[in-house]
Amino acid sequence: GAVVSQHPSWVICKSGTSVKIECRSLDFQATTMFWYRQFPKQSLMLMATSNEGSKATYEQGVEKDKFLINHASLTLSTLTVTSAHPEDSSFYICSVKGMGSQHFGDGTRLSIL
Amino acid sequence: GENVEQHPSTLSVQEGDSAVIKCTYSDSASNYFPWYKQELGKRPQLIIDIRSNVGEKKDQRIAVTLNKTAKHFSLHITETQPEDSAVYFCAASLEYGNKLVFGAGTILRVKS
Repeated sequence: GAVVSQHPSWVICKSGTSVKIECRSLDFQATTMFWYRQFPKQSLMLMATSNEGSKATYEQGVEKDKFLINHASLTLSTLTVTSAHPEDSSFYICSVKGMGSQHFGDGTRLSIL
Repeated sequence: GENVEQHPSTLSVQEGDSAVIKCTYSDSASNYFPWYKQELGKRPQLIIDIRSNVGEKKDQRIAVTLNKTAKHFSLHITETQPEDSAVYFCAASLEYGNKLVFGAGTILRVKS
């Protein structure tokens, strides 16, 4: 069964809207979760590492004020895309480190009109 | 930082033939190398992985080889089947289970 639950799976919204994506670890207590972004026909690019109880670590070029990450418990991390614009349209996927490897959520397809 | 290159970008094989996908990495400190299979619109799924203290690992029709000296690793799929058609990503990590740097992906098409 699924190890990681990610919601919503699909979002369409107007430009300027903020969108929150949830990532839940179902089987592990996850002190660390990862957020990736995948543009069409491209690879997965790490955006940030989410740390339970502390600030996220962002990769170079990723705006921390644009992509807000909250990891308030051992089972839940959220990514909020603030004031989303069409160029933010992408496939966002979270992953959880557990049992020696990373387990991915089903992803969220975000479309900004 | 780490950089992972993956080749080829597309690969078409006849059902029953073997498929080989190759990756190179830049950081000699990387020690964990997983391979993921991703079907259209779905999550990446781990199919096999290898750690730097091992040169080869096999799981049924799938095998991975690692050459630490040359900093490259390869995925081998034997007796390919149509259901093997997907995008395959290699990745490298500085620490077992830590953040991953992915290759660009290989679209594998198995023709029946």
